[in-house]
Amino acid sequence: SQQGEEDPQALSIQEGENATMNCSYKTSINNLQWYRQNSGRGLVHLILIRSNEREKHSGRLRVTLDTSKKSSSLLITASRAADTASYFCATDALSGGSNYKLTFGKGTLLTVNP
Amino acid sequence: NAGVMQNPRHLVRRRGQEARLRCSPMKGHSHVYWYRQLPEEGLKFMVYLQKENIIDESGMPKERFSAEFPKEGPSILRIQQVVRGDSAAYFCASSVTGLGTEAFFGQGTRLTVV
Repeated sequence: SQQGEEDPQALSIQEGENATMNCSYKTSINNLQWYRQNSGRGLVHLILIRSNEREKHSGRLRVTLDTSKKSSSLLITASRAADTASYFCATDALSGGSNYKLTFGKGTLLTVNP
Repeated sequence: NAGVMQNPRHLVRRRGQEARLRCSPMKGHSHVYWYRQLPEEGLKFMVYLQKENIIDESGMPKERFSAEFPKEGPSILRIQQVVRGDSAAYFCASSVTGLGTEAFFGQGTRLTVV
């Protein structure tokens, strides 16, 4: 399986509820980023968490990182219908010397029902 | 400060034709990445470039695909003799430096091969 695997693959909740998505990865990373993609659109950068950080907040978003378990979670509190989108985690890892690249999982499709 | 600009947004090509996709990074960004996304899939890394240099092209097919990021002008992803399997959304991202900084994405080019 590829670096950066999100689960669940799909999540359906009611407006106002919290949504939690998880991401696991395999190799050591420098940082981990979360992105949102609305259907048919580009990716919007949400938050970056560095390998020496454990938790980060941005508005209604809370990201945690556990490097010992090689996992991260994205929590969206008080969800809104407009949060309906696919959410991807992306990890950067050294690739062949000093090169690095962002590797994405397949994403979690979040549906927030009004 | 305009974001990452990709054009065209939609491109239709007949089998055997050439497709040229353009990406202008954000102002001040010298690192460009190309990704391909198939329907219902995550983003697959293709190539990582800096100005006038290809840093990592491990995700790019060996034949028919090429990428460049000249000293002046946008980055170009070129696909020669397109086949139906090349139909996908192609995203470009840019960052200030290669390591440990946010990568910002364009809206993508949706290539359809008929």
